[in-house]
Amino acid sequence: QKEVEQDPGPLSVPEGAIVSLNCTYSNSAFQYFMWYRQYSRKGPELLMYTYSSGNKEDGRFTAQVDKSSKYISLFIRDSQPSDSATYLCAMSAPGGTSYGKLTFGQGTILTVHP
Amino acid sequence: DAGVIQSPRHEVTEMGQEVTLRCKPISGHDYLFWYRQTMMRGLELLIYFNNNVPIDDSGMPEDRFSAKMPNASFSTLKIQPSEPRDSAVYFCASRVAGAKDTQYFGPGTRLTVL
Repeated sequence: QKEVEQDPGPLSVPEGAIVSLNCTYSNSAFQYFMWYRQYSRKGPELLMYTYSSGNKEDGRFTAQVDKSSKYISLFIRDSQPSDSATYLCAMSAPGGTSYGKLTFGQGTILTVHP
Repeated sequence: DAGVIQSPRHEVTEMGQEVTLRCKPISGHDYLFWYRQTMMRGLELLIYFNNNVPIDDSGMPEDRFSAKMPNASFSTLKIQPSEPRDSAVYFCASRVAGAKDTQYFGPGTRLTVL
């Protein structure tokens, strides 16, 4: 079983829709949670970062973490064609031999149609 | 800031040949990561360095893969001999200690082994 599970999709939605992307994890040592966005033929770039349970909002994006259920989500409101990309969740644990190391989900391919 | 620089951007080679991928991290960053991305396996961490010292190479698939970081501004990932199953996009990423685990990715090298 992978430490981080993410539905690869693909996910196709019309412009303006609310998008929900999700990851589950099994390692309770994970304390830091990130969402990266990767456009076609580009490297991933950090979109959202959070370290506590609850919600964090940044414009049209909301990251949600539920440590008790080992479940994280990314919501995109009023989705735009420019949001079409692969979204990867990533997690890390503080200290020890895992310090500095990110574990990524498989990535979800999102397409937003005009 | 030029970001993480990788070369070459594309590499096509024949099975059995040696392949060398190069990376220049962002100036001042003291962590450097090598990843491999495929459709089947997603983004996998191969090895990472801290202050030019390899910290975790448990993701290196086999002895055919080797990585070096002779100084703070340069790293190489070498595959010798290459095999068709090594075909993937290889990313280099860097970060600075204490930067909330934020990694900055290069544009990647798309490797095709025939």
